[in-house]
Amino acid sequence: GESVGLHLPTLSVQEGDNSIINCAYSNSASDYFIWYKQESGKGPQFIIDIRSNMDKRQGQRVTVLLNKTVKHLSLQIAATQPGDSAVYFCAETRQTGANNLFFGTGTRLTVIP
Amino acid sequence: DSGVTQTPKHLITATGQRVTLRCSPRSGDLSVYWYQQSLDQGLQFLIQYYNGEERAKGNILERFSAQQFPDLHSELNLSSLELGDSALYFCASSVAGLRSEGPITDTQYFGPGTRLTVL
Repeated sequence: GESVGLHLPTLSVQEGDNSIINCAYSNSASDYFIWYKQESGKGPQFIIDIRSNMDKRQGQRVTVLLNKTVKHLSLQIAATQPGDSAVYFCAETRQTGANNLFFGTGTRLTVIP
Repeated sequence: DSGVTQTPKHLITATGQRVTLRCSPRSGDLSVYWYQQSLDQGLQFLIQYYNGEERAKGNILERFSAQQFPDLHSELNLSSLELGDSALYFCASSVAGLRSEGPITDTQYFGPGTRLTVL
């Protein structure tokens, strides 16, 4: 994946530290949220998802938090590794109609060895 | 590897030309979605097909069209190409069609993309 947008938010972290990537959504009808990771030259890769009836979901080294009150989503990556360097997107689908994804702008995470 | 395949990986063509991008979904998935990723617009939904029928349209230009064949592979046709059509084109696949036809957690898995360059 190439850089998405000339003004892509960036986050730099030291290897071994925890990373937190944030995402805001605007549509109250959104009820399913997904985090994707896009490495250079590749397509978006599913990381973790969460339904709107949950506040938190954990995976391997990743945790997603959902705050519906303020329409905010975050992805926490524990013990960040160089292989985590990529662009991270949050995406959402909505309760009715089509099943397509609405993507956020993306955040470029750079892990410093 | 997501299980979604796309060809070609790269495509270079001239303005005014027509190209066809191909996508094969994961085994068992009936839906194919096409997305465009450009520098100034990010990832945007173009069109969705489910089991051979068009299900939803997003920001797809009239110069663009798609179809899904009986074997469930899909093709995206881009015609009268302009410089601004240069982008990455991704397809994704999932099990369901509309939200009402499947689980809420109907995850979409993406292919590796086709990079289109219009000169």
